[in-house]
Amino acid sequence: AQTVTQSQPEMSVQEAETVTLSCTYDTSESDYYLFWYKQPPSRQMILVIRQEAYKQQNATENRFSVNFQKAAKSFSLKISDSQLGDAAMYFCAYKTSNFGNEKLTFGTGTRLTIIP
Amino acid sequence: DTAVSQTPKYLVTQMGNDKSIKCEQNLGHDTMYWYKQDSKKFLKIMFSYNNKELIINETVPNRFSPKSPDKAHLNLHINSLELGDSAVYFCASSPLTSGGYNEQFFGPGTRLTVL
Repeated sequence: AQTVTQSQPEMSVQEAETVTLSCTYDTSESDYYLFWYKQPPSRQMILVIRQEAYKQQNATENRFSVNFQKAAKSFSLKISDSQLGDAAMYFCAYKTSNFGNEKLTFGTGTRLTIIP
Repeated sequence: DTAVSQTPKYLVTQMGNDKSIKCEQNLGHDTMYWYKQDSKKFLKIMFSYNNKELIINETVPNRFSPKSPDKAHLNLHINSLELGDSAVYFCASSPLTSGGYNEQFFGPGTRLTVL
C-alpha cells in the first residue's frame, strides 16, 4: 500500500518570503499522480497543484511550484512571496494511475503560519 | 452554484443515535467519495462509488452504510454512533476517465460531534 509522509507538522514564514513544505511517499508503481491540497480555517479542501509522475518537468501555478524527485520519491511544495491568505493546513496526496482505483492517500499535513 | 454540497454542515448528537449526512454534486461526475478527517486532521478514504456501484470500502465498520440513489448523490448513514465517530466527514466527486488525473472536488465537510 502507498504511504505519504509529511515530516513537518508546523512551519512558519515571514510574509513575502519563500517557504518549502516537504513530502515523501512510498510506492512500487511507476505511474501515479501527486497533489498538494490546502485547507484554510474554513476547512474547504482546495487543490493547489498537481504533478503527473511521468512528466519530468516540475509543475508550477503562479506562486506555487513543486520539486518532484521521482527516484527519491519526494514531492515538495514551494510557496514564493508568501501572503497572509496562504495560512492553512497543507496536505500532500498520492493517487494511483490504475483506472477505477481513484482514492487519494493523504499525508498528515503541515500547518503553515504566515508572520506579518 | 455549489459544485459539491453536504447537509448538514454541523451535526451534534448523542451516543447510540443513528444519523445521516447527505451529499450532492452538480458536476456530472461519475465517481463520489466519503473521506473522514479525525481530530488530528488526518484524512482517510472511507468509500467510493462509481455510477451507484461501490468501488472502494476501506475497512469501515458496518455501522457506516453509504447509499447512492443516483450518480449525483451519495449519502452516508451511521448507526449506533460512538464517541470515536466524532470527526469531519468530506464528500468528494470526480470524473472517471482513463488516462486522466481525475481531480477530486470536495464538499465543505460535515462536522459530526458525538456526546
